[in-house]
Amino acid sequence: GAVVSQHPSRVICKSGTSVKIECRSLDFQATTMFWYRQFPKQSLMLMATSNEGSKATYEQGVEKDKFLINHASLTLSTLTVTSAHPEDSSFYICSASSLGQGDYGYTFGSGTRLTVV
Amino acid sequence: AQKITQTQPGMFVQEKEAVTLDCTYDTSDPSYGLFWYKQPSSGEMIFLIYQGSYDQQNATEGRYSLNFQKARKSANLVISASQLGDSAMYFCAMREQTNFGNEKLTFGTGTRLTIIP
Repeated sequence: GAVVSQHPSRVICKSGTSVKIECRSLDFQATTMFWYRQFPKQSLMLMATSNEGSKATYEQGVEKDKFLINHASLTLSTLTVTSAHPEDSSFYICSASSLGQGDYGYTFGSGTRLTVV
Repeated sequence: AQKITQTQPGMFVQEKEAVTLDCTYDTSDPSYGLFWYKQPSSGEMIFLIYQGSYDQQNATEGRYSLNFQKARKSANLVISASQLGDSAMYFCAMREQTNFGNEKLTFGTGTRLTIIP
């Protein structure tokens, strides 16, 4: 079946540094990538949607200069948290979409737990 | 306005019993899709079952079935013969169109299911 590999699974970084999270679709071409954030004991909140080769579209309230998304190829999308602060500590998870692939079109990565100290 | 509502924050069920997790949704689109995901403590999102708005029959996948009542806008998940490994967070989600022509998943707040031996 369709697989999305997300790395790293866990990262601890110092306040003020940047962190990059990668999502790769291993056996299919992801035309669209969704990035979600999940705070403890809460639901998944969509941060942004990116189509390959286009600029990402961000949900209301999400700072595009802080959360940089790159979707340069059909198999790779990255989320960079710039100048991270403790309030950015969260679980980040990607979901790749391609019609005819995955579970009715959506395949999730395994998530990245970010802790900013 | 909340588009996906899960009214049960937590449920405790005896092993081997059946359990129903509630989900109601709100949309004016005639075409939509409803999903259920399981999220264990490790964080990954495990796809369980899908129901399309035009599907005439309720979806079933092994021990999982979806009680789809379109007029009431409800899509409850039924797990038969519950097992200890079913203990997890369960999310209902709806696929909907965005203003930018994409389709995205919107999640409910989740239900934490605990199976008691």
